[in-house]
Amino acid sequence: EVQLVESGGGLVQPGGSLRLSCAASGFTVSSNYMSWVRQAPGKGLEWVSVIYSGGSTYYADSVKGRFTISRDNSKNTLYLQMNSLRAEDTAVYYCTSYPRFYDSSGYPRDYWGQGTLVTVSS
Amino acid sequence: DIVMTQTPLSLSVTPGQPASISCKSSQSLLHSDGKTYLYWYLQKPGQSPQLLIYEVSSRFSGVPDRFSGSGSGTDFTLKISRVEAEDVGVYYCMQGIHLPSITFGQGTRLEIK
Repeated sequence: EVQLVESGGGLVQPGGSLRLSCAASGFTVSSNYMSWVRQAPGKGLEWVSVIYSGGSTYYADSVKGRFTISRDNSKNTLYLQMNSLRAEDTAVYYCTSYPRFYDSSGYPRDYWGQGTLVTVSS
Repeated sequence: DIVMTQTPLSLSVTPGQPASISCKSSQSLLHSDGKTYLYWYLQKPGQSPQLLIYEVSSRFSGVPDRFSGSGSGTDFTLKISRVEAEDVGVYYCMQGIHLPSITFGQGTRLEIK
């Protein structure tokens, strides 16, 4: 069974930093396109960042230069380092895989964690 | 950037009745590999999004057959043939062709009358 478990969220002051983690089991992070998607309170889903299986990384304009996505293949874990946090970064952050690859049953590898809440407030 | 536009933004449906949600993309979602990378998700209250439909019309594992997807190019529709109480939540369409970013529609909230 595939599981993605996020951690690292919490309350941080504007300008502060947090590092989110997403520990995967049942599938290999480095073999997939892994992303972070966030959801502000009462709002819709917003793509934040992706790391390709080859290691290329991409960011939404709203976080470029402040957030860094990475992974540790030995720990099968995805990370999001968030610096210079702003009030508008307040959201639940989900770790998810792009559904562009398929599992052995022929279904897309579409997996989501339970989310971790980041609150940026003084 | 590609824009995904859903209508309506909210629906109130009597159990047993059908429901339909439209999603329009600002660019074609047809890939050169012949696939169209349009997905439908349901986010139930307090839960993470769950995949219902992939590549326009294929049901994901375990999804009831009362859910169906159709469309092509830039216009897509999700239909629920007979709404049940467990279908309550917010439905999102998502494009997965114009990478590296993925883009979601605004969401359509389904409630039961």
